[in-house]
Amino acid sequence: EDKVVQSPLSLVVHEGDTVTLNCSYEVTNFRSLLWYKQEKKAPTFLFMLTSSGIEKKSGRLSSILDKKELFSILNITATQTGDSAVYLCAGTDNAGNNRKLIWGLGTSLAVNP
Amino acid sequence: NAGVTQTPKFQVLKTGQSMTLQCAQDMNHNSMYWYRQDPGMGLRLIYYSASEGTTDKGEVPNGYNVSRLNKREFSLRLESAAPSQTSVYFCASSEYRGSNNQPQHFGDGTRLSIL
Repeated sequence: EDKVVQSPLSLVVHEGDTVTLNCSYEVTNFRSLLWYKQEKKAPTFLFMLTSSGIEKKSGRLSSILDKKELFSILNITATQTGDSAVYLCAGTDNAGNNRKLIWGLGTSLAVNP
Repeated sequence: NAGVTQTPKFQVLKTGQSMTLQCAQDMNHNSMYWYRQDPGMGLRLIYYSASEGTTDKGEVPNGYNVSRLNKREFSLRLESAAPSQTSVYFCASSEYRGSNNQPQHFGDGTRLSIL
């Protein structure tokens, strides 16, 4: 059965710290891995990774995929209180239209001032 | 810059009542989805519509029906609400470009309580 497992489930850090969130996956005919940030409401898209070893970066956030070891990490440097959220990752198979996302349960990040 | 719009934002129902959750997107996306999100269970797909005129069951379709009214709108109906359907419901949409996956974009959710 396909699955995505995130760790840790929750994390508390202080502003300025660097955090690494982990996502491992077992997805038949794996195509891509996506990261989302969920604050109070809608999950918002962060990154989509399809190639191994190529880092994607947006400001203080970056992510990389390892298709050999079947995992991805999301790094946040110089954390701010606004980074407090649940971070979700999801894997897709090779159906070709992103209709089947296999979701992890998320990592709840709290950044204290 | 609306994106995906869901109505209502909150609703309380009694067991056995029916209601329809509305979703509309203005991004001209082909595909639309309905999820429910429960503590400890993550996001689970209820139904999806790959394109206008088609709908398919997801992981947890029992107790729900959907209608893809046109390209913009995808509604979710609870015919006879049960307490187990208390959840936060999210609608999402994505573009379909052949073999290229495109990320899903989510609405703000509907918090539904069934008493």
